[in-house]
Amino acid sequence: GESVGLHLPTLSVQEGDNSIINCAYSNSASDYFIWYKQESGKGPQFIIDIRSNMDKRQGQRVTVLLNKTVKHLSLQIAATQPGDSAVYFCADRVTGNQFYFGTGTSLTVIP
Amino acid sequence: DTEVTQTPKHLVMGMTNKKSLKCEQHMGHRAMYWYKQKAKKPPELMFVYSYEKLSINESVPSRFSPECPNSSLLNLHLHALQPEDSALYLCASSQDSGGRERGLAKNIQYFGAGTRLSVL
Repeated sequence: GESVGLHLPTLSVQEGDNSIINCAYSNSASDYFIWYKQESGKGPQFIIDIRSNMDKRQGQRVTVLLNKTVKHLSLQIAATQPGDSAVYFCADRVTGNQFYFGTGTSLTVIP
Repeated sequence: DTEVTQTPKHLVMGMTNKKSLKCEQHMGHRAMYWYKQKAKKPPELMFVYSYEKLSINESVPSRFSPECPNSSLLNLHLHALQPEDSALYLCASSQDSGGRERGLAKNIQYFGAGTRLSVL
């Protein structure tokens, strides 16, 4: 079954503001996490990943934070742009190459 | 080339039909996946092929039959589907099925755009 869930199903932000998307996971043995972005009519697209031995990882305009104590993951998007509007999924590695996806958060950027 | 190509993009079929979904990648990836995604839901894993061998079958009904003819191709054969099988079917591939920490990035999955299936 699913081991990952999200706190908020929808999020609306003003263009230029920062966005924070949260994710909770239940499997304490999960050792690797990935954030995906899915735009309408497309498949999920890799954004950023983080291993369980890290607390933070930064990419271009995105940062992922991992709090293993409370089994919480967040994706921060800086200076959100209209092109960031999409559904965002976190996924955790259960075993091998088997991942389970969280519920998803729909991000809408208001121009 | 980081593309996973799925055909057809859309498919409408009756419950007595037999059809196939196709997926192709030329990234040299050795693991390929089928997911099912219902509207406003996350992708659900169906099958995993690793080095052309079926390694995971998530208790999928036998009316779905996967096939991996070679390392670049993945098919999903459909027969006697039900209306509730209507969904977006996503194919993905990853470099490997690395289990060790230093190989974790090899698990990043690259997705195709999916086949939108409607069963009447």
